[in-house]
Amino acid sequence: DGGITQSPKYLFRKEGQNVTLSCEQNLNHDAMYWYRQDPGQGLRLIYYSQIVNDFQKGDIAEGYSVSREKKESFPLTVTSAQKNPTAFYLCASSTYRSSYNEQFFGPGTRLTVL
Amino acid sequence: SQKIEQNSEALNIQEGKTATLTCNYTNYSPAYLQWYRQDPGRGPVFLLLIRENEKEKRKERLKVTFDTTLKQSLFHITASQPADSATYLCALRRTTDSWGKLQFGAGTQVVVTP
Repeated sequence: DGGITQSPKYLFRKEGQNVTLSCEQNLNHDAMYWYRQDPGQGLRLIYYSQIVNDFQKGDIAEGYSVSREKKESFPLTVTSAQKNPTAFYLCASSTYRSSYNEQFFGPGTRLTVL
Repeated sequence: SQKIEQNSEALNIQEGKTATLTCNYTNYSPAYLQWYRQDPGRGPVFLLLIRENEKEKRKERLKVTFDTTLKQSLFHITASQPADSATYLCALRRTTDSWGKLQFGAGTQVVVTP
């Protein structure tokens, strides 16, 4: 089955630690995205990548970093510089070949800072 | 400032009735608007896309309208069923943004009771 996988589903982090969230897709999609979702707020874009080895900052990139070394993978690192990292993180992908331009989302990772 | 507003109050509706959700935006020039469905603890799932030059789109029991003069999209679920209970998100792509970059509303929760 084609889709997007995110791991882990739940992640606990101590203050001051960096953590990396995994996102993998086997849809052969060109573009990948990371969003953060907080209660009562819309999805906010952290980073996105339209092609391998290239990525752009979204609206809330401070305290986060990404890499796109392979088409299938787009890991997100939440650094200790992120002031309030507790949130639900969603990874998505999309393809230029779709006329709907829809984004396909993974199941999400819930990060809690202890 | 640019904003996308969806009704934050949950919409409670009886099975068989039509649910109507609103997405209002200010200070955007949208290229297109999308609607997604999100179940608790899961990633959003794409439902429909409507472009700036389109007035209405339908898919099975779903209908979306787009009024760029009013800066508003309406999302209708006809003959609603308990399985339609979820949060529905609207998302815009601005004409000034790169391909794939979306701005999301916070979503409206729909609860359909038998």
